[in-house]
Amino acid sequence: QVQLVESGGGVVQPGRSLRLSCAASGFTFSAFGMHWVRQAPGKGLEWLAVVSYDGTVKFDADSVRGRFTISRDNSKNTLDLQMDSLRPEDTAVYYCAKDSGLRWLKFYLEYWGQGTLVTVSS
Amino acid sequence: SSELTQDPAVSVALGQTVRITCQGDSLRSYFASWYQQKPGQAPLLVIYNKDNRASGIPDRFSGSGSGTTASLTITGTQAEDEADYYCSSRDTSGDHGVFGGGTKLTVL
Repeated sequence: QVQLVESGGGVVQPGRSLRLSCAASGFTFSAFGMHWVRQAPGKGLEWLAVVSYDGTVKFDADSVRGRFTISRDNSKNTLDLQMDSLRPEDTAVYYCAKDSGLRWLKFYLEYWGQGTLVTVSS
Repeated sequence: SSELTQDPAVSVALGQTVRITCQGDSLRSYFASWYQQKPGQAPLLVIYNKDNRASGIPDRFSGSGSGTTASLTITGTQAEDEADYYCSSRDTSGDHGVFGGGTKLTVL
């Protein structure tokens, strides 16, 4: 079965960096786009970024552009999110999610990990 | 970018039908998907491509939409359907995802 397991969350000071990872299994990772979505405490879902199945196409939200970078390693079945210049408002649970489209981005997130909490605080 | 607008809260009596709506300009060009999220859990895909049920989703859930509006309908609402529901689609550029603010469904 499809499994997505995020890691790398924790407490970090404002202005510092953190790298999240998502380990995927149970499907052909290299054939599907992947997304990052976050949810601040008590708030709604916020889409952050997507990477195509082969890593050649990437899009990200205005709120994180220039600070967050999505990447993937198809040889290791992992998805990453490099987060730089972190702010208190970046405090959230971060989810990775699998796109439903086979070698085509459909923006339907059919499987989600359980999330990893990032807290930005001094 | 574009926004998707949802009513913050909706309530329904047990066994009755409820419709949750989502409005946004991007829905003219892109179909909506719907996600259910219960406290402490990750979101779960319920409806995709406007009206297709995701795997394992009961047939009391259905999706529809026209123009700038998408809807999620639950027929014969069960207590376990109490949750937050989010609509989503691409934004008007087609290159970004966007979520509605979410609707908290209370089953009375």
